[in-house]
Amino acid sequence: EAQVTQNPRYLITVTGKKLTVTCSQNMNHEYMSWYRQDPGLGLRQIYYSMNVEVTDKGDVPEGYKVSRKEKRNFPLILESPSPNQTSLYFCASSFQYQETQYFGPGTRLLVL
Amino acid sequence: GENVEQHPSTLSVQEGDSAVIKCTYSDSASNYFPWYKQELGKRPQLIIDIRSNVGEKKDQRIAVTLNKTAKHFSLHITETQPEDSAVYFCAAKVTKGNNRLAFGKGNQVVVIP
Repeated sequence: EAQVTQNPRYLITVTGKKLTVTCSQNMNHEYMSWYRQDPGLGLRQIYYSMNVEVTDKGDVPEGYKVSRKEKRNFPLILESPSPNQTSLYFCASSFQYQETQYFGPGTRLLVL
Repeated sequence: GENVEQHPSTLSVQEGDSAVIKCTYSDSASNYFPWYKQELGKRPQLIIDIRSNVGEKKDQRIAVTLNKTAKHFSLHITETQPEDSAVYFCAAKVTKGNNRLAFGKGNQVVVIP
């Protein structure tokens, strides 16, 4: 089944404790992206990747890192999480950035 | 950069009536405009998209119209049903700088049975 998966789905952590949210797709998509969704602010792009080893900043990259060592995986790293990073995070992938984006199920993060 | 705005933020309609959501964008060179639907607690999913070489596209009860001169595009839902209740996001391709879609803040559509 074609899909985008994210792990974990729910995470509660404390300020400053490094964490990684994994994202994987099995559709051989070149383009992958991370978004955060906050009430009243819609979907804001954090980082995106056009292909392996090619990543770039989106609208709100501060406090986040990404890597794209393999085509199928695009992890999101929070080196030192802060409470303002409490949010719902979505990973998405597509063949190209102007094609249908397939979203993962979301990761709800709470930083205390 | 690209600025995408959606109006109204919340829309309530009676079941069976039509719903229209309008989205404006700022980048006149944008040429790809998708609409995503997000049901409560679920992920966003593409429902329809349009490219700048056409003015209208339909898929059953859903249609999207594009006015490039005025820089706006609209989602039309006819014969609304309770399952149409969701948040709808429009987006536009950013043509300057990085390769991405800029999303609007979303419209909450409530279909009243």
